[in-house]
Amino acid sequence: NAGVTQTPKFRVLKTGQSMTLLCAQDMNHEYMYWYRQDPGMGLRLIHYSVGEGTTAKGEVPDGYNVSRLKKQNFLLGLESAAPSQTSVYFCASSGEPGYNEQFFGPGTRLTVL
Amino acid sequence: GESVGLHLPTLSVQEGDNSIINCAYSNSASDYFIWYKQESGKGPQFIIDIRSNMDKRQGQRVTVLLNKTVKHLSLQIAATQPGDSAVYFCAEKLQGGADGLTFGKGTHLIIQP
Repeated sequence: NAGVTQTPKFRVLKTGQSMTLLCAQDMNHEYMYWYRQDPGMGLRLIHYSVGEGTTAKGEVPDGYNVSRLKKQNFLLGLESAAPSQTSVYFCASSGEPGYNEQFFGPGTRLTVL
Repeated sequence: GESVGLHLPTLSVQEGDNSIINCAYSNSASDYFIWYKQESGKGPQFIIDIRSNMDKRQGQRVTVLLNKTVKHLSLQIAATQPGDSAVYFCAEKLQGGADGLTFGKGTHLIIQP
């Protein structure tokens, strides 16, 4: 199993451009998450999904949209990128919401100029 | 502000010694805690977890202690090895919640030869 994969690994955008980050998991997990990590900080939750077709806001949702059209995929979109969105983005998945670890992908490093 | 925090941003230990990384949390409703290890350029990797109905849990070379009275969590790593060099995050989860984890800022563990 590949676990959680993310594409792309790196991306540079200009202010105002849009892009979509793709997260895929092959563990048949119901729950998927998008986090951002800024330098010297822990991860902060952007959006999450408790199943196919559902999404919910996390701690820092502004400026981002998500979609979960297929159980194995969770997409994170930036409609109009801003320099404040320069960060490393991590996707995670878990099988249950309760006492279960979240499995993380390798991250996408995004720079907005 | 963050409900999970760490006492020290950097911890330097000699190879072979034991390491203790501390974490404080403020939300009494949290009932599940996880320690993650993050190596440079990689996503967080699960180390060990503990539920709030326990005060100690052991894994391979690692022990997590939970003191609910003072809302304190610690990670002990026995016989520290060079491969243990990383940033360690504690994370908490609210009871019954399907949403994501709340992370602390992290402690950078440096292993000296």
